[in-house]
Amino acid sequence: SQKIEQNSEALNIQEGKTATLTCNYTNYSPAYLQWYRQDPGRGPVFLLLIRENEKEKRKERLKVTFDTTLKQSLFHITASQPADSATYLCALTDTGRRALTFGSGTRLQVQP
Amino acid sequence: GAVVSQHPSRVICKSGTSVKIECRSLDFQATTMFWYRQFPKQSLMLMATSNEGSKATYEQGVEKDKFLINHASLTLSTLTVTSAHPEDSSFYICSGSGSGGPGETQYFGPGTRLLVL
Repeated sequence: SQKIEQNSEALNIQEGKTATLTCNYTNYSPAYLQWYRQDPGRGPVFLLLIRENEKEKRKERLKVTFDTTLKQSLFHITASQPADSATYLCALTDTGRRALTFGSGTRLQVQP
Repeated sequence: GAVVSQHPSRVICKSGTSVKIECRSLDFQATTMFWYRQFPKQSLMLMATSNEGSKATYEQGVEKDKFLINHASLTLSTLTVTSAHPEDSSFYICSGSGSGGPGETQYFGPGTRLLVL
């Protein structure tokens, strides 16, 4: 069956450290993978998109990697700040489909 | 980024009544709009995809007669939960995209929390 797995346990890190979140998928052939941020009671906010032929994408303090062999994407936040505390969702678009399929998200808590 | 609004943000209704949720793209034309549902501590689950002027495409397991979707213009889509029951209580989120093509960024609304008593 198809699965998108993110660590369901919250990730607690100290301010200034790098947070690394993992997204693994099985039985998908995604052309694109996206990362979103979701705050409690709010809709997701788009952060980054990476294509299957791209290994890495950066935007300010954010970095995403995409390994289609391992079927994994890593999401990094460098120099993390308490304001980065939120749930981060990975989402992918399977070949031939337009809609996004979301992982369950990982909650990040950055301690001051 | 593009802005999507939803109305109402929160609604409480009695079992058996119908509730309409509006989703508007404020500064772009959303050719495609998506409706999701999110239960507590779970991920977003796609309910349906709608293109302006066309019938919505529903995901497996989603009752099209219960969740009526109308996408009459490029800036407005509505979701009507008919004869709502307590198990329909959830967080409903819409998103819009320009063409809805694979990989295109979707812009999400702030969500509507529905509580059916």
